[in-house]
Amino acid sequence: RKEVEQDPGPFNVPEGATVAFNCTYSNSASQSFFWYRQDCRKEPKLLMSVYSSGNEDGRFTAQLNRASQYISLLIRDSKLSDSATYLCVVNSAGTASKLTFGTGTRLQVTL
Amino acid sequence: DGGITQSPKYLFRKEGQNVTLSCEQNLNHDAMYWYRQDPGQGLRLIYYSQIVNDFQKGDIAEGYSVSREKKESFPLTVTSAQKNPTAFYLCASTPRAGSKGELFFGEGSRLTVL
Repeated sequence: RKEVEQDPGPFNVPEGATVAFNCTYSNSASQSFFWYRQDCRKEPKLLMSVYSSGNEDGRFTAQLNRASQYISLLIRDSKLSDSATYLCVVNSAGTASKLTFGTGTRLQVTL
Repeated sequence: DGGITQSPKYLFRKEGQNVTLSCEQNLNHDAMYWYRQDPGQGLRLIYYSQIVNDFQKGDIAEGYSVSREKKESFPLTVTSAQKNPTAFYLCASTPRAGSKGELFFGEGSRLTVL
């Protein structure tokens, strides 16, 4: 089983739709969690950290479920500019050198 | 503006040749990292350095070498021993070695072996 698993997609949604991605992780000792965004042929950029109580940043909401070992990302009112690959990232040992990246979920928002 | 600069952006190499990818940062970050990204796979850690003159192997260090002679610079050499070097290489940094979260990435170097 992969340490971090994501549905590769693509998720094709119309503008204005709400879309959610899940990511599962295998290491129950994982300590911190992140969503990164990667545009085609570009570098990843941090979208948001994921906190135990869940957190929101504008149209984006991240949730953590430690019991089931998954994190989720919800995007409301999708924009064309949200089209990208969303990487789930899990930190198992409290240092950046132990970050494990998922393969990413591709989102395509259409008119 | 502060950031991480990788060069070259695109590189072609013949089999059997070594190639060095440059990574320079002016963020005053202590820790630097090299990742490789292949289609359908997550980023995989090649090498990392938490401080000048020190570096550690990541998960896929075979066929690669690095140096950290200056805080700002962390070049990666892809040697002829690397069996499948064609990939997208990403350099990243964090403010300090114990940073848990945000990695600051360069724009990447795309290496193709002919």
